[in-house]
Amino acid sequence: AQSVAQPEDQVNVAEGNPLTVKCTYSVSGNPYLFWYVQYPNRGLQFLLKYITGDNLVKGSYGFEAEFNKSQTSFHLKKPSALVSDSALYFCAVRDSGNKLVFGAGTILRVKS
Amino acid sequence: DTGVSQDPRHKITKRGQNVTFRCDPISEHNRLYWYRQTLGQGPEFLTYFQNEAQLEKSRLLSDRFSAERPKGSFSTLEIQRTEQGDSAMYLCASSINSGSPLNEQFFGPGTRLTVL
Repeated sequence: AQSVAQPEDQVNVAEGNPLTVKCTYSVSGNPYLFWYVQYPNRGLQFLLKYITGDNLVKGSYGFEAEFNKSQTSFHLKKPSALVSDSALYFCAVRDSGNKLVFGAGTILRVKS
Repeated sequence: DTGVSQDPRHKITKRGQNVTFRCDPISEHNRLYWYRQTLGQGPEFLTYFQNEAQLEKSRLLSDRFSAERPKGSFSTLEIQRTEQGDSAMYLCASSINSGSPLNEQFFGPGTRLTVL
């Protein structure tokens, strides 16, 4: 079965500093990976997805993700964090039938 | 607003009562998914439809849960004889099935269920 792991429950960064939210995956076959963000009391918003062959994926709101096959990782990054980036971030992998299997989530706190 | 909508946004019920939630997907999306999210966890897949056909159900979906998508448009999720363990956020998502595995799912705002 496909799975993802988010090893950090929470990440704290200062505004203006680069941020990284970690995700590792375990799949059989090609990995189809996604990042979503969730703000309080709201549904999930799509940020970006991994397309085979592009190790650096650019997404919404200045976010990008780096795919590393040898380390089975798909870390979310942003060069300069904003306070408004504070939210809950989920990594996900596509499973059979196009359903998504999500990680437990990582809370990102950006302090001014 | 042409996004995924869910109704109601919040539902408080007493244990043993039945509840029904509605999801209206993005109009051109033929796939519709239901997920459940509990506090501190990521969403967990419950079931999905392609048009009106229910193609997969998770083992999380006990016989007290039933979902329908008549005419391949909106969908309903019913929980019978609710239990306190059913308290969660129920999320609906939709996507286009174009044969690509990379079509992202668009999520609605969710229905938060509290069972007293």
